[in-house]
Amino acid sequence: GENVEQHPSTLSVQEGDSAVIKCTYSDSASNYFPWYKQELGKRPQLIIDIRSNVGEKKDQRIAVTLNKTAKHFSLHITETQPEDSAVYFCAASSGTGNQFYFGTGTSLTVIP
Amino acid sequence: KAGVTQTPRYLIKTRGQQVTLSCSPISGHRSVSWYQQTPGQGLQFLFEYFSETQRNKGNFPGRFSGRQFSNSRSEMNVSTLELGDSALYLCASSFTGSDTGELFFGEGSRLTVL
Repeated sequence: GENVEQHPSTLSVQEGDSAVIKCTYSDSASNYFPWYKQELGKRPQLIIDIRSNVGEKKDQRIAVTLNKTAKHFSLHITETQPEDSAVYFCAASSGTGNQFYFGTGTSLTVIP
Repeated sequence: KAGVTQTPRYLIKTRGQQVTLSCSPISGHRSVSWYQQTPGQGLQFLFEYFSETQRNKGNFPGRFSGRQFSNSRSEMNVSTLELGDSALYLCASSFTGSDTGELFFGEGSRLTVL
């Protein structure tokens, strides 16, 4: 089955700096790659996603890049703010339906 | 629109007991999936139901089972509980049919096994 690895497990940045989280996947059939943000004690929520026919997608301060050849995708957050502090999960899916393989998460701390 | 609702939110069981967790999806969502979340392991897929049929299944033992009703509400059951089953169980619903799409998570049911 699919295996998704995520790095780093923890990340601390100064407010205003950029943060980058990287994920790799093993199944070349994976074609949908979402990112979820989970604030402390809350439910995960989708922040951005990308499909395999696109190399990059942006939404304000957040961007995701996908390299299908290398089987890796990354989340980029620019101009970080304290409210960006949370755990971020990458995921991959390939088959019919909503079966996702998640990374183990990155705990991001933005220091004011 | 009401979000995904999970009950109970917290429960404590002892080894060997069984537990049933419930999930009510967002109205109109026919796909319901279940994930186990533990520290350091992220979210691990248990199973997905669509129109009352199990469509996908993760690599969990047969002690973990689920079902979906005609109104799309879903339940998962864990029999013969083990200490390692202590976790946050998240339910997620999705509007999409055959394509993968956004998951809308509930707040989870936190299970503690003593």
